[in-house]
Amino acid sequence: DAGVIQSPRHEVTEMGQEVTLRCKPISGHNSLFWYRQTMMRGLELLIYFNNNVPIDDSGMPEDRFSAKMPNASFSTLKIQPSEPRDSAVYFCASSLRVANSPLHFGNGTRLTVT
Amino acid sequence: GESVGLHLPTLSVQEGDNSIINCAYSNSASDYFIWYKQESGKGPQFIIDIRSNMDKRQGQRVTVLLNKTVKHLSLQIAATQPGDSAVYFCAENIAQGAQKLVFGQGTRLTINP
Repeated sequence: DAGVIQSPRHEVTEMGQEVTLRCKPISGHNSLFWYRQTMMRGLELLIYFNNNVPIDDSGMPEDRFSAKMPNASFSTLKIQPSEPRDSAVYFCASSLRVANSPLHFGNGTRLTVT
Repeated sequence: GESVGLHLPTLSVQEGDNSIINCAYSNSASDYFIWYKQESGKGPQFIIDIRSNMDKRQGQRVTVLLNKTVKHLSLQIAATQPGDSAVYFCAENIAQGAQKLVFGQGTRLTINP
């Protein structure tokens, strides 16, 4: 039973470059979440989708960040242009769209912007 | 307990002892709480959850206690094993009817042989 799949596992890029992170949620889950984890700020919710529609993007730090979910089995988080302060581990999670349903996380993408 | 900043609180226990990890949550309206375990290089892994209409829930070797009066959550792990070494996070759903989980800063659990 495949869990949430994220790619790439590691990404190293130079400041100013575009970065695209990818996520495949668990089949049958209809809610998808993007989180960012840093030592200073812990796990922060960036954005979440229900049935492929963005519901709450209040956690997206700036206009440089954008997320899409073109279908039920794929989502992307894009940073353009990237900056060193964007360095973090980015997690995708999915869940059933029912109240009080736990989130299931992928193993994250570690992003380093130099 | 929880703290903000670079240094995670750490709990060290002897193998075989029981562990208790505490969490103070922020929103008195939160209706759902989850404990997650995160091992190095992996994403948070679901352990156990509890709804606000309960004060205790048990799983396999784990128990979660909820005290809404003081906004306190705890995770008890029985007979701690080396594989329990990880960072443990509590999370609260701050938006009733939605799924907006806010995570605490985490507690690092280390097991002494």
